[in-house]
Amino acid sequence: RKEVEQDPGPFNVPEGATVAFNCTYSNSASQSFFWYRQDCRKEPKLLMSVYSSGNEDGRFTAQLNRASQYISLLIRDSKLSDSATYLCVPYKDSGYALNFGKGTSLLVTP
Amino acid sequence: EAGVAQSPRYKIIEKRQSVAFWCNPISGHATLYWYQQILGQGPKLLIQFQNNGVVDDSQLPKDRFSAERLKGVDSTLKIQPAKLEDSAVYLCASSLGGRLAGAEQFFGPGTRLTVL
Repeated sequence: RKEVEQDPGPFNVPEGATVAFNCTYSNSASQSFFWYRQDCRKEPKLLMSVYSSGNEDGRFTAQLNRASQYISLLIRDSKLSDSATYLCVPYKDSGYALNFGKGTSLLVTP
Repeated sequence: EAGVAQSPRYKIIEKRQSVAFWCNPISGHATLYWYQQILGQGPKLLIQFQNNGVVDDSQLPKDRFSAERLKGVDSTLKIQPAKLEDSAVYLCASSLGGRLAGAEQFFGPGTRLTVL
């Protein structure tokens, strides 16, 4: 089941740039959304949670568009350490987890 | 606070052999997940437990995969017999359970399985 679609990238951006990724989802019952960051050969780590229209945490902003069924992640002032794969996953309010997207690869270069 | 523990970290077996993975979730987390992550892809949900009951196992290949969560704490995932295409990282995650922040998942380091 392809519930989540992400542009795999890679997105190559210079340090200090602003970059945005989109994640589209098919299940309209999705209520909560999560962005995870995964470094090479490591486990995913929670980056940001979105329960309403959006969320902001420092350089990271997530925006939810329920009408078009996508969620975006904006990273401002990119750092070299932001290089990773970014995964999104929707979650139904009933308690059922849904599948992760394939992830978007970001490479921040000096 | 201790994180999600998994063992072994690496396993190499031959096809048609059996293998088992173990997961100990964060204390107090009611929900436990097993994912399969093939190189270059996102994690694929295999099974989700709420306490010791199965919430969703629709993507678990039940002819060869089995999982249990005895007493609602530790969990084991077994593959019998293994196929070449089972080579992947098997991730265990746990969450408090419920809505919103209760759905935030914390992952273990994973078990990297190679089937020869």
